[in-house]
Amino acid sequence: EIVLTQSPGTLSLSPGERATLSCRASQSVSSSYLAWYQQKPGQAPRLLIYGASSRATGIPDRFSGSGSGTDFTLTISRLEPEDFAVYYCQQYGSSPTTFGGGTKVEIK
Amino acid sequence: EVQLVESGGGLVQPGRSLRLSCAASGFTFDDYAMHWVRQAPGKGLEWVSGISWNSGSIGYADSVKGRFTISRDNAKNSLYLQMNSLRAEDTALYYCAKAGGALPTNPFDYWGQGTLVTVSS
Repeated sequence: EIVLTQSPGTLSLSPGERATLSCRASQSVSSSYLAWYQQKPGQAPRLLIYGASSRATGIPDRFSGSGSGTDFTLTISRLEPEDFAVYYCQQYGSSPTTFGGGTKVEIK
Repeated sequence: EVQLVESGGGLVQPGRSLRLSCAASGFTFDDYAMHWVRQAPGKGLEWVSGISWNSGSIGYADSVKGRFTISRDNAKNSLYLQMNSLRAEDTALYYCAKAGGALPTNPFDYWGQGTLVTVSS
């Protein structure tokens, strides 16, 4: 199975700053079938990005995804207070689908 | 509005069984694959099982293979997870998730709020 490694584990930033989150795969992710999810405490995950770079419905344009092959990035251009959460990447091109361990974006 | 409502969780002893249900509404249920994803307390997300729109394609995580069975009833807009031989390590919040297409190889675009399964004596 494809192992996804997210870094850093925790990112401490201030509102208005730029956040860059990394997701590295142990094998190439086919057809860039890579998604990003946001999860806030006590809530279910929410789909942000699919196909490595396409925003899901209703997701603000400050969220962007990039990458291909084994290296993918989620960028939040200017952090809003509601963006402080845990972010997970997922590959869904190979069975079984797998998730990364998550990156927590916390307020500095 | 898409809604996924899980039920059936609870406290169960090791070795016993439990059946989870997920009631779906707000979309054409039999057009989409569905999944179960779990999250142990304080931990990350773990995919458990997925099923295609017509039940023709089914998959399981190695950790539950042979113990859990996923199924769906398109007439009832419902997804199920039969969990047998439960272990302490199965303790988690179990989410029902809708895939973005008919086959399991799609991102999960909607999630329920989860149902908590606790396996303990």
